[in-house]
Amino acid sequence: GAGVSQSPRYKVTKRGQDVALRCDPISGHVSLYWYRQALGQGPEFLTYFNYEAQQDKSGLPNDRFSAERPEGSISTLTIQRTEQRDSAMYRCASSFLAYEQYFGPGTRLTVT
Amino acid sequence: TQLLEQSPQFLSIQEGENLTVYCNSSSVFSSLQWYRQEPGEGPVLLVTVVTGGEVKKLKRLTFQFGDARKDSSLHITAAQPGDTGLYLCAGFPMDSSYKLIFGSGTRLLVRP
Repeated sequence: GAGVSQSPRYKVTKRGQDVALRCDPISGHVSLYWYRQALGQGPEFLTYFNYEAQQDKSGLPNDRFSAERPEGSISTLTIQRTEQRDSAMYRCASSFLAYEQYFGPGTRLTVT
Repeated sequence: TQLLEQSPQFLSIQEGENLTVYCNSSSVFSSLQWYRQEPGEGPVLLVTVVTGGEVKKLKRLTFQFGDARKDSSLHITAAQPGDTGLYLCAGFPMDSSYKLIFGSGTRLLVRP
């Protein structure tokens, strides 16, 4: 079956622009997570959804970052007024059971 | 802040050699997981260890969870070039069933 998909796979944007990153979880997975992964490092938790409810957004770096999952399926991570320090790989994961998260291929964001 | 430290950061070995990767923390985790990540892809779950002292084997890979649930190790016997990749440990803190804390990873290269 299809895994977690993310789009776009690569995004280059100019500083100050807004970007929206999309995550399409595995069908039937009620939980969805966003992580950020710097090169050569492990993923860092950003936010967690259970169905459409955002249960934890403690990892979002600041108020320029927001996420939504309005219908409990597809999720969008939005970064407003991007800065160079936002450049990273953004990964989405989904799960049916919390301890078994399936990761997507990620969106590599480059802010110039 | 709960941290997971992995060592070594990099490991380059010859095919057929054995190796051990360590994952250490000063904090207790309810469970620890090991992931393998290949270039361009998301992390893939290899194993979850839950009980202190637990040992799990997956073909040539042996995973151990420390008695105090603060550390874990991954041992690979007779490494093969196909084992090349980034190995990540990750743990669920005692106060969270969904917020994975990742280590910084061990990049393994197995030379033929």
